[in-house]
Amino acid sequence: GAVVSQHPSRVICKSGTSVKIECRSLDFQATTMFWYRQFPKQSLMLMATSNEGSKATYEQGVEKDKFLINHASLTLSTLTVTSAHPEDSSFYICSARVRQGGTDTGELFFGEGSRLTVL
Amino acid sequence: SQQGEEDPQALSIQEGENATMNCSYKTSINNLQWYRQNSGRGLVHLILIRSNEREKHSGRLRVTLDTSKKSSSLLITASRAADTASYFCATDAGGQAGTALIFGKGTTLSVSS
Repeated sequence: GAVVSQHPSRVICKSGTSVKIECRSLDFQATTMFWYRQFPKQSLMLMATSNEGSKATYEQGVEKDKFLINHASLTLSTLTVTSAHPEDSSFYICSARVRQGGTDTGELFFGEGSRLTVL
Repeated sequence: SQQGEEDPQALSIQEGENATMNCSYKTSINNLQWYRQNSGRGLVHLILIRSNEREKHSGRLRVTLDTSKKSSSLLITASRAADTASYFCATDAGGQAGTALIFGKGTTLSVSS
């Protein structure tokens, strides 16, 4: 299946610093990527939809100035957690839809996730 | 927002037994998907069932879909210890194709040998 690579897998930072997480589609082009956040023992919560070449669409309650999303190319989307605080500690997962022959299969492929710990 | 609700939240069985997980959702859908997540890892796509399908099989997995009840079930037959993971159902947001998936709360399955 399609491969989505996420980096870094783990990051620890001090409160007040910014952290960038990268999400790459390795063998396909992703015009749309999605960013999710998952707290321990909970489900995935959609944060935002990242569209190549345009502004991201954020879900209600997600601060766009805090979680900066850039989708500058068809294979890379980045999520920057700005001025991180301990409550931002979470598992962040990106995903991308796969189109085959111009048809959206409906299936999402997920990165391995990035565990952020803010001290 | 959460689209689906899974039950049970947690399920513990012995190897060789079958595991059944249920999922309910709220809006109309194009398809419903099941994913698996090992602890601390990303998600692995298991199976997709379209809204006009009622049942689908893939290896030891069997998924059913009842659109009139807005529910789906995932059956894992002859479970193995390696099946231990969390399982999530997911649907297109608002039933619109090409949008993000909205996930249910998940069922944590523990299979002991």
